[in-house]
Amino acid sequence: KAGVTQTPRYLIKTRGQQVTLSCSPISGHRSVSWYQQTPGQGLQFLFEYFSETQRNKGNFPGRFSGRQFSNSRSEMNVSTLELGDSALYLCASSLGTGTGHTEAFFGQGTRLTVV
Amino acid sequence: GENVEQHPSTLSVQEGDSAVIKCTYSDSASNYFPWYKQELGKRPQLIIDIRSNVGEKKDQRIAVTLNKTAKHFSLHITETQPEDSAVYFCAASLTDTGRRALTFGSGTRLQVQP
Repeated sequence: KAGVTQTPRYLIKTRGQQVTLSCSPISGHRSVSWYQQTPGQGLQFLFEYFSETQRNKGNFPGRFSGRQFSNSRSEMNVSTLELGDSALYLCASSLGTGTGHTEAFFGQGTRLTVV
Repeated sequence: GENVEQHPSTLSVQEGDSAVIKCTYSDSASNYFPWYKQELGKRPQLIIDIRSNVGEKKDQRIAVTLNKTAKHFSLHITETQPEDSAVYFCAASLTDTGRRALTFGSGTRLQVQP
């Protein structure tokens, strides 16, 4: 069974640009969550998508957005990039239904560097 | 919202010793507590988890305990080995049908000295 796949693995962008990251969950998983990992702030929750709907949102500005497609693949977009957006962006997939089977499996992440 | 505090931030032990990492959470409604291990340059990997209807769970050398009243949970690693060296994160979540958001602790860097 294939794991969670994130593309691209590395990105370098300039301040003010926008970027789109992609996440393909484990087959059969309908929930995709996104996290930002930085040395200073640790792992912070961005948002979660389930059945093409945003089900949960963390405390990030509106420049951070996402979407989910009918095949459960998800994209995350960051507009008007700032230097502070440099981070490892991780997505996690889970079954997303009921109170059981809650385990979240992470992808390798996309390392974004804003210069 | 939920807040998770994790201690210590760094932990160095000798091979064969035990290691204990502690976390506290603020939201009494949280009912799912996973632990992740992240090796340098790799993805976080789930090593053990516990739900609020259970007080302790073991998996070989790893155990997690949960005290709902005090709102804290701990990871115990016995007979540590050099390959246990990594950053460990605790997390808390409310797993009702409408929410799947993990709140993470700040991480503990465990170094096992051979």
